[in-house]
Amino acid sequence: EVQLVESGGGLVQPGGSLRLSCAASGFNFGSYWMSWIRQAPGKGLEWAANINEDGSQKKYVDSVKGRFTISRDNAKNSLHLQMNSLRVEDTAVYYCARSGYSRIEYWGQGILVTVSS
Amino acid sequence: QSALTQPRSVSGSPGQSVTISCTGTSSDVGGYNYLSWYQQHPGKAPKLMIYDVTKRPSGVPDRFSGSKSGNTASLTISGLQTEDEADYYCCSHSDTYTLALFGGGTKLTVL
Repeated sequence: EVQLVESGGGLVQPGGSLRLSCAASGFNFGSYWMSWIRQAPGKGLEWAANINEDGSQKKYVDSVKGRFTISRDNAKNSLHLQMNSLRVEDTAVYYCARSGYSRIEYWGQGILVTVSS
Repeated sequence: QSALTQPRSVSGSPGQSVTISCTGTSSDVGGYNYLSWYQQHPGKAPKLMIYDVTKRPSGVPDRFSGSKSGNTASLTISGLQTEDEADYYCCSHSDTYTLALFGGGTKLTVL
């Protein structure tokens, strides 16, 4: 059974940093693209970032470029999102996801990040 | 970046059929068959229901079907059940943006 479990969320002040992690199990982690999808409270979904199987390709939505960094550790079956210079508008539930080509095959339960003073 | 266009809400009675549309451009929905649909119940993570326009993952009932014509994709749910009440999102590959685009979401109410 595919399982994706996020951790590291919480409350942070504007301009602060936070690092999200995702523990993956139930599949060959190193064989799949992985993604972070976010959803602001009461709003729709936004594909924030993705990373290829060996970590050599990374893509970001324009609004997080230069501030967020996606990474993975295939030896530890883990995915990460380093979020710097956080803004109020980054407040959202962040989902770790196993992705196919322009689709999300499996989702974690999500973790809330709140940026507020 | 611009989201794909979906109706904000649709409704239907148990047993009926409903169709949710997802409109984009020739640079996304109309140009590629990488179009997926997701179901999201309140407080829960989304679930993949349809991918590559018409394909259903294992475990998704065949009451759910997808199609596309031009720049508009559609999700049809037949034989509506109360548990189908949820938000539905479409998602498409785009050659304009770095990452795939989501629609704004449609709330399905089963009356």
